[in-house]
Amino acid sequence: NAGVTQTPKFQVLKTGQSMTLQCAQDMNHEYMSWYRQDPGMGLRLIHYSVGAGITDQGEVPNGYNVSRSTTEDFPLRLLSAAPSQTSVYFCASFRLGQNYGYTFGSGTRLTVV
Amino acid sequence: LAKTTQPISMDSYEGQEVNITCSHNNIATNDYITWYQQFPSQGPRFIIQGYKTKVTNEVASLFIPADRKSSTLSLPRVSLSDTAVYYCLVGDGDSNYQLIWGAGTKLIIKP
Repeated sequence: NAGVTQTPKFQVLKTGQSMTLQCAQDMNHEYMSWYRQDPGMGLRLIHYSVGAGITDQGEVPNGYNVSRSTTEDFPLRLLSAAPSQTSVYFCASFRLGQNYGYTFGSGTRLTVV
Repeated sequence: LAKTTQPISMDSYEGQEVNITCSHNNIATNDYITWYQQFPSQGPRFIIQGYKTKVTNEVASLFIPADRKSSTLSLPRVSLSDTAVYYCLVGDGDSNYQLIWGAGTKLIIKP
């Protein structure tokens, strides 16, 4: 049981480049989300999804797109990378109707130069 | 959305009991209180969740007074490996998915 798997673990982008951060879970969790965490700060919600075909914006959605075509996968796309998007990105999931026991991935450390 | 207030940092010594208090004055009737632990370069890990009174698991205890405006995470007999950031969150788990994560409490355990 792998839990939540994020790839890549590290990435360096040039300003203006685009890329997709991958997130997959094998726990059949309906809810999936993307957070970013800047140094010394808590997590900020970027986008979330409560099921396949359903996505919604969180606190800081600008510059990011998501889609949810399957229950298992929830990729995060950076459209045109900016230095302000340098951060650690975490994907998390949980089962609806139970509690807030999120399962987090190990994170992707992104640097935009 | 209920916000929480925690101490920025705490330190203690191995073998001691550590209590971290979280204030959530605007907690709603349906909100649960959840605590997470985060080590450097890792995602947060669920520790414990409660609604009222006391909850205990193999890792920690959570004390919630009757007015539910605060909660206390209790870590018994801490070790160096308990050095981490601890987050307190409140939410209802049904219709509100936008939990607000504060900066958490950085707990440093000394030998």
